[in-house]
Amino acid sequence: DTGVSQNPRHKITKRGQNVTFRCDPISEHNRLYWYRQTLGQGPEFLTYFQNEAQLEKSRLLSDRFSAERPKGSFSTLEIQRTEQGDSAMYLCASSLGGREEKLFFGSGTQLSVL
Amino acid sequence: RKEVEQDPGPFNVPEGATVAFNCTYSNSASQSFFWYRQDCRKEPKLLMSVYSSGNEDGRFTAQLNRASQYISLLIRDSKLSDSATYLCVVNMESGGGADGLTFGKGTHLIIQP
Repeated sequence: DTGVSQNPRHKITKRGQNVTFRCDPISEHNRLYWYRQTLGQGPEFLTYFQNEAQLEKSRLLSDRFSAERPKGSFSTLEIQRTEQGDSAMYLCASSLGGREEKLFFGSGTQLSVL
Repeated sequence: RKEVEQDPGPFNVPEGATVAFNCTYSNSASQSFFWYRQDCRKEPKLLMSVYSSGNEDGRFTAQLNRASQYISLLIRDSKLSDSATYLCVVNMESGGGADGLTFGKGTHLIIQP
């Protein structure tokens, strides 16, 4: 399967714990995005990378959130000191970059903070 | 005014009928528009891009009305498998580039047998 891969698919954690998610984009895609989606809402932009450079971060992304893409391939999203309000589906997407805007999404990681 | 607005529905439509829904956007300088489909508990998938001249893909037709700042999606001869949430996506950055993509909340469509 050469699509976008995310793991874990589900994560249950207790409030205050740290969690880390991983995303492997489509191999030839330069851009990688993180979105958050809650029930009844569309995906909300969190951040994106052009290769290994993080080019933009949403104001939704508090200091507890950090994302990396160290070698311009896979990416990790870490949430520190999780709160119940962090419970959501975290979606990763990739695209070819440049003016190519078509996004290919992974299956997401469903986070539940108890 | 919200940037991208959609009627959340649900739209309950009998199989075989034609259904259409719109999406309005706030930035008149927006250049690119898309419809994504999202099945329950699945990831969004690109359904079609929306071009200025309108475009058709099988039973699906997308149109752009720049004067009134909305895009539309029409589904003809609806199938049970068309049941899903349809997300309107607009690039709110006049310069393009995927970092400006903004998703609507989606319109929930239910095709009934």
